[in-house]
Amino acid sequence: KQEVTQIPAALSVPEGENLVLNCSFTDSAIYNLQWFRQDPGKGLTSLLLIQSSQREQTSGRLNASLDKSSGRSTLYIAASQPGDSATYLCAVKGAQKLVFGQGTRLTINP
Amino acid sequence: DADVTQTPRNRITKTGKRIMLECSQTKGHDRMYWYRQDPGLGLRLIYYSFDVKDINKGEISDGYSVSRQAQAKFSLSLESAIPNQTALYFCATSESGTGKDNVQFFGPGTRLTVL
Repeated sequence: KQEVTQIPAALSVPEGENLVLNCSFTDSAIYNLQWFRQDPGKGLTSLLLIQSSQREQTSGRLNASLDKSSGRSTLYIAASQPGDSATYLCAVKGAQKLVFGQGTRLTINP
Repeated sequence: DADVTQTPRNRITKTGKRIMLECSQTKGHDRMYWYRQDPGLGLRLIYYSFDVKDINKGEISDGYSVSRQAQAKFSLSLESAIPNQTALYFCATSESGTGKDNVQFFGPGTRLTVL
């Protein structure tokens, strides 16, 4: 059974810092890995999707990497802003469904 | 207008009551999903449907049932609500196909409290 873990559960940093969020998974037989953002009272928004054959994906200030053999992914956020404050979830795609981590709650302090 | 809508957005009910949560989508996707989220836990899959005639149990289907009334509508029912079903419920949709690359699009969620 696939298990996805995100560390840390919460992170608070000053504005402008670069930061890394971590995601690990137990079964390397995945199709893809996604990073989502969740804002209070709103649904999940997909940020980046990395195919199992890819090593990384970039979108603006976000960069996600995938090391399938070691069961790890990182989400790098450059030059953090208060608007980046949210909960970030990673999810791995197996044969038919997504398995989610518990999320990292990120707070960017002005 | 939002592509995936959920009603109601908030609901407080009592133990033993029957509750229905509704999801509608305008994305034209064949696949629809219901998840629940509990504090400190990730989203867990309750049921999913790959088309109108296809319903599948997810990880935590006990105590829940679903109905796929049309391609655009997927309802989740709690026949007799209990307090440990208090959670945030999300509906999601995705395109059909191989399933390898399909991004899921989420509704805004329904916060359900069972007293």
